[in-house]
Formats: sequence, C-alpha cells, structure tokens
Amino acid sequence: DQQVKQNSPSLSVQEGRISILNCDYTNSMFDYFLWYKKYPAEGPTFLISISSIKDKNEDGRFTVFLNKSAKHLSLHIVPSQPGDSAVYFCAARRIGSGNTGKLIFGQGTTLQVKP
Amino acid sequence: GAGVSQSPRYKVAKRGQDVALRCDPISGHVSLFWYQQALGQGPEFLTYFQNEAQLDKSGLPSDRFFAERPEGSVSTLKIQRTQQEDSAVYLCASSPGIYEKLFFGSGTQLSVL
Repeated sequence: DQQVKQNSPSLSVQEGRISILNCDYTNSMFDYFLWYKKYPAEGPTFLISISSIKDKNEDGRFTVFLNKSAKHLSLHIVPSQPGDSAVYFCAARRIGSGNTGKLIFGQGTTLQVKP
Repeated sequence: GAGVSQSPRYKVAKRGQDVALRCDPISGHVSLFWYQQALGQGPEFLTYFQNEAQLDKSGLPSDRFFAERPEGSVSTLKIQRTQQEDSAVYLCASSPGIYEKLFFGSGTQLSVL
C-alpha cells in the first residue's frame, strides 16, 4: 500500500525554466510534508517542508504547494539550475500522540536540468 | 561529528551470512531511524529509536532483522542469514527531537550474492 506516490519517475527541464515535481498521498492523517533531495552515493538531504495548516511555503527558488482536498503537493523550482539535477523524494508524516515522527517516502522523481 | 556516519560503505555477503551495519548519529541527537532503499524506490522505514529505547520496529521485514542502540548513540542493524532480497541501501538518519527534520547518512550498500 503506497501511501505517498510520485507518479513521474523522471523529468527533464531546460536551465532557467520552471521544474514542477508532483506528489500524491492517500492517508488523510498526514499533517506534515517534506521534500528531500538526493545526489548519487549520498544520503537524502532536507530541502523544504510544509505543514497541513498552510497551502504554500517558499524558500528562495523552491516553493511547495499543498492541496489538502486533492491530497496533492508539488515542488516548484524557479529558475532551474544544472546543480538541481538529482532525485527528489516527497515524504509525509503524522504528528501526534504515539507517533514517532517517522517519514513515509514516495518512490522519487529524477530531475535532469539541461544547460 | 559533522554528520551521520555509516559503515561500511559497501558490503558484499554470501547468502546465509550474517552482517552488521553501523550508524554513528550526530552527537546529541535523540531520534534515530533505519530505512531500507531498494533500487529505484524510495526509502522504507525499518525501525526507530528514541535514545536507547526502540519504540517502533514495525518496518523490520522479518525476525532476521535486529537493531540496537544500547547507549543511546551508536546503532547497529544486524541481518542474520542474509537473502538476496535483502540487497539494498540501508540508510540511517538522526534528528535532535521527535518531529524535527532528519539528517541522513550516505548509507551502506548491501549486496547479497
């Protein structure tokens, strides 16, 4: 049962353009969402997050949008740079009594930004 | 240390061998997680420690998998009688508290032949 889904395995974008990575989830109990970025042979690194009480969070070139009714979130990168080429993972968790804060990850989307 | 350290970086085991994977979290981090990442997939939760207490082991795939963190710092993930399906990257992550962002190590790539 895949609770967090990233349906696009890969995305290719020209440098300077916008990259949009999508993520869907099925568990309505999730209330915190994160994006992680992973380069080859390295562990995932935190990129940006959003609480379920918000619908948008922005950090520099990165913006995450959350649509709770659709159980959908997206990561926008503007402008895209070649150094953004990596695998991007969407993750979700529940906050509350008895929960450990563990993250549930999607399958990942490989972004290639072409110079 | 500066980050989460995992060793060995690569491990090749013959089917049936036991292996032990080590994780050195960031000093002072309370929470420690183990994840398994199969090729082309996202990390999947294995187990969680809060200090030395193992509070969640719901993701361990079988009783061949065992994890410990006896002094609340270094953790070891042990896999007994390894099988080919155990081949994956094993990631360790730590965080200062319970609901804070996770810092991941580079992982141990396990190949079972």
